[in-house]
Amino acid sequence: NAGVMQNPRHLVRRRGQEARLRCSPMKGHSHVYWYRQLPEEGLKFMVYLQKENIIDESGMPKERFSAEFPKEGPSILRIQQVVRGDSAAYFCASRKTNGNTIYFGEGSWLTVV
Amino acid sequence: QQQVKQSPQSLIVQKGGISIINCAYENTAFDYFPWYQQFPGKGPALLIAIRPDVSEKKEGRFTISFNKSAKQFSLHIMDSQPGDSATYFCAASMLSGQNFVFGPGTRLSVLP
Repeated sequence: NAGVMQNPRHLVRRRGQEARLRCSPMKGHSHVYWYRQLPEEGLKFMVYLQKENIIDESGMPKERFSAEFPKEGPSILRIQQVVRGDSAAYFCASRKTNGNTIYFGEGSWLTVV
Repeated sequence: QQQVKQSPQSLIVQKGGISIINCAYENTAFDYFPWYQQFPGKGPALLIAIRPDVSEKKEGRFTISFNKSAKQFSLHIMDSQPGDSATYFCAASMLSGQNFVFGPGTRLSVLP
């Protein structure tokens, strides 16, 4: 049973470009969470989604950031017009309905140059 | 009220010693308390978890102690090994799975 799959693992973007990070949850999991982690810092909640619904986006910046989890396919975190401050590791986690625990992927490291 | 506090920020322990990391929460609606272990360049991995109906849970060298009245819980790593050197995050959530809140993390270094 494959774990949470994230890609790309590493992504370099120039300022002003767009970054798209993908997350395929574990099989049977329909809940997805995105977290951001700056170097030497903790996990900052961004958004919580179920299939086709955003449940909680209170941690996501209002501008330039968006997330989706379509009925088919992976969840996508999209960052438009990236700036240097967006450089971070972005972790996706998934959970099954009625499950207690969230399981993390290996992360996507975004570097903005 | 959604915050989870964690201490210490960093911890250095000799091999064979006991590592203790403490966490505290405010929201009494939290009813699930996991600990995650993260190695550099990797995603956090579930280590051990507890619900508030028990005061202690042990898995191998790892033990969670839970004090419901004080709204505190702690991770004890017995016979700490250099391979335990990692960052540890406590977390709290409701069984509904929403409001999964993490502490700021503790960087543990176990000296050989």
